[in-house]
This record gives sequence, structure tokens and C-alpha cells, in this order.
Amino acid sequence: NAGVMQNPRHLVRRRGQEARLRCSPVKGHSHVYWYRQLPEEGLKFMVYLQKENIIDESGMPKERFSAEFPKEGPSILRIQQVVRGDSAAYFCASSPRQNSGALYNEQFFGPGTRLTVL
Amino acid sequence: GENVEQHPSTLSVQEGDSAVIKCTYSDSASNYFPWYKQELGKRPQLIIDIRSNVGEKKDQRIAVTLNKTAKHFSLHITETQPEDSAVYFCAATPYSSASKIIFGSGTRLSIRP
Repeated sequence: NAGVMQNPRHLVRRRGQEARLRCSPVKGHSHVYWYRQLPEEGLKFMVYLQKENIIDESGMPKERFSAEFPKEGPSILRIQQVVRGDSAAYFCASSPRQNSGALYNEQFFGPGTRLTVL
Repeated sequence: GENVEQHPSTLSVQEGDSAVIKCTYSDSASNYFPWYKQELGKRPQLIIDIRSNVGEKKDQRIAVTLNKTAKHFSLHITETQPEDSAVYFCAATPYSSASKIIFGSGTRLSIRP
């Protein structure tokens, strides 16, 4: 799981600014997931993407948050007009392409981006 | 909706003793149950997992059990060591070829020397 890269590792923003978090999955993985972890809490699912498609965004706030996973380049989680409540660790995970008949593939987590909103 | 309950939230055990963490899940379609260990400031690390066609799995000092009828699953750590101190998360995923993970709220395990 050391192959999932996230940057920046730490990000400080003032209220109202934009935050862009990047995730490069393990080479060959075509599924990306974003999770948010508030201080002293568990991880909460936000969004699941495949290349150029959002598969499940049921955990993502309807406003200010967006995610993409383009054909080329990393997955991006974008938070517009950040507020103090957005301060959290954001983890990205990836899993490989599904083979026919496969039930589940382990998700490999990146080191996370710790967002602090002042 | 999908939910995973985890108990206890904190657990302190004497070094060498056993630790048990219990979880329940709500979605009967769940078929994969990973356990993650997270040290302070680090990423979640998969330590063991169990699939719905198995009732128990063991890996050295760590074992997991699954009761699908009751929708319960548990983590057992024997002969605990100081390096076992961390936050442990249970999780469940519904049946799908690739699905989101639903995490429990975590158990902070402390090993007393």
C-alpha cells in the first residue's frame, strides 16, 4: 500500500479559500476512494471514482465539494470556500481493476492530507 | 442505511493479556470484513480480514471471528505487546465488485507495561 501517493501531506487554508487534494493510486489501479477522518473519529466514505466516472458520491457534501479522476493524472478532491469544519485528514485509497468473478479487492490507503482551516 | 457499531471505544490491557474488540453491522449484504490498525498520524493499515464464507481466521497473535446470523464480528489479539497500542477499526463492505468501506468508530487500545 505504500504505492498510493497523496499530496500535499499538510495543507493550511484560511476560511473562504479553496483546497485541492491530490491522489495518485497504485500503478494499475483503476478505482479510487476518498475518505474523511475528523479528529478522534473514524473514517467516513466520501466518494468512489473510476477513470473519468464518479461511481458513488453518496458520502460527499452536496455543496463546495467535488472530485474527479481524469483519464490522465491524479484524482483530485476539491473543496471550495473552506470552513473550519472542513479541518480533517483526507485519505485516498485505491483498488485494482475488477476481474470477472472477483468479489472484493483490498483497498490500499495513502498517507493522507491533513487540512487545517484557520 | 449501512452502519457498523464498534465497542469498546477505549481499551487498556496489561502487556501479555488478550484484547477483544467487537463489532456489529447492519447491511446483510456485507460479505467482506477488514480490520485496520492506525497509529497516531499514520494511514490505516490492513492487519487481517475475513470473508463471509469463513467463520474464523487466525494470523499469529491476531484472530477474527464472524457470525453472519447475528451480524457480529470480533478481533482477538493475544499476548499483547506495547507495539499493539493503536486505534483499531473494524469495517464492512456490501457485496459488489468494488465497494466503499463502512468503518466502525474505532477502539483506542493501550497496552500497559
